[in-house]
Amino acid sequence: QVQLQESGPGLVKPSETLSLTCSVSGGSISSNSWSWIRQPAGKGLEWIGRFYTSGRTDYNPSLKSRATVSVDTSRNQFSLKLNSVTAADTAVYYCARNLPSSPYFFDYWGQGTLVTVSS
Amino acid sequence: DIQMTQSPSSVSASVGDRVTITCRASQGISSWLAWYQQKPGKAPKFLIYAASSLQSGVPSRFSGSGSGTEFTLTISSLQPEDFATYYCQQANSFPYTFGQGTKLEIK
Repeated sequence: QVQLQESGPGLVKPSETLSLTCSVSGGSISSNSWSWIRQPAGKGLEWIGRFYTSGRTDYNPSLKSRATVSVDTSRNQFSLKLNSVTAADTAVYYCARNLPSSPYFFDYWGQGTLVTVSS
Repeated sequence: DIQMTQSPSSVSASVGDRVTITCRASQGISSWLAWYQQKPGKAPKFLIYAASSLQSGVPSRFSGSGSGTEFTLTISSLQPEDFATYYCQQANSFPYTFGQGTKLEIK
């Protein structure tokens, strides 16, 4: 059973960089692609970006190149960095595995971590 | 971006009822659609992909259909644990986008 767990600061100051890590257990991070998704309080879901095992990454253009997703295979973890944050980046952030047979969908999710952007 | 519009935004139903939720895409997405269930304070749960393929472990009372721009999620006989918010997601083109959600409430 694949399990994902997000970790990182719950409070980030405006203009600084949000950094989150997703630890994966029950499966190798090298054999799948992985995504970050966020959800502002009371609102819908927004896909942030994805890391493929090939090293390729894709991002939501709405983030205007502020996001970076990377993988640490030695720790079986992947990370999200979002720079120049504003209050609009306040949300619950989820890490997720892309469905192996069709890596456009998200089959396993972490429990989510709330990140608040405030001074 | 492809806009996904769900209807209704909320629906009240009783245990045992049959419920259908609709998701419309702003342009054709073939069958590149998934459905998720989310309960308060929890992560979304993956239900259906490729419009009609049931994820392993998901009860057979859930079914999906459609292609192109119109899709439906049907729950054939509501159970108490089905009361939640449901989201559709398109995977036809970047960026992947979700519907605004349909809240299924107990009548």
